[in-house]
Amino acid sequence: GNSVTQMEGPVTLSEEAFLTINCTYTATGYPSLFWYVQYPGEGLQLLLKATKADDKGSNKGFEATYRKETTSFHLEKGSVQVSDSAVYFCALTPDYKLSFGAGTTVTVRA
Amino acid sequence: NAGVMQNPRHLVRRRGQEARLRCSPMKGHSHVYWYRQLPEEGLKFMVYLQKENIIDESGMPKERFSAEFPKEGPSILRIQQVVRGDSAAYFCASSPPTRDQETQYFGPGTRLLVL
Repeated sequence: GNSVTQMEGPVTLSEEAFLTINCTYTATGYPSLFWYVQYPGEGLQLLLKATKADDKGSNKGFEATYRKETTSFHLEKGSVQVSDSAVYFCALTPDYKLSFGAGTTVTVRA
Repeated sequence: NAGVMQNPRHLVRRRGQEARLRCSPMKGHSHVYWYRQLPEEGLKFMVYLQKENIIDESGMPKERFSAEFPKEGPSILRIQQVVRGDSAAYFCASSPPTRDQETQYFGPGTRLLVL
């Protein structure tokens, strides 16, 4: 079956620090990979996606590259802001049934 | 363009009562998905519906849970005779009537607390 493993949090950073959240996956076939972000009390928002190997998804300064050889999709941002404080979820789907990781809570301090 | 709407945002029920969760998809979207998020866990797929049809309910518990998406009105997730283990956040997502069903737009969720 399909599954996603994310690095455990919580992660606490200072403003302008570099952020990496590791995500690895197990899947049959060639799934699409996603990062979603959940702000307190809100639903999930799609942050970025990649649909095939070596694709790089990017949005709002965040990036992630689909690495088939290492089955990974690590999320990175070069300089975080306080407003980036949220829970980040890695997910995959071969069709419509999204499989999510457990989420990583990120807190950015001024 | 209004996003996916869910109500209520918070719902408290006593054991044995019924819970009804509503989801209005984004305008123009005809595919609806329900997910459940237990504390400290990621979201788990429950059911996928199109108008008047259940396409995939492989993630739904076999008993007490049902879902519908009528021709008119919102999608409803119904939980009968709730138990404490049903306490969770329930998220609805929608996607347009195209082949890109993997890109789903989520609502704010309904947080169910069973006392």
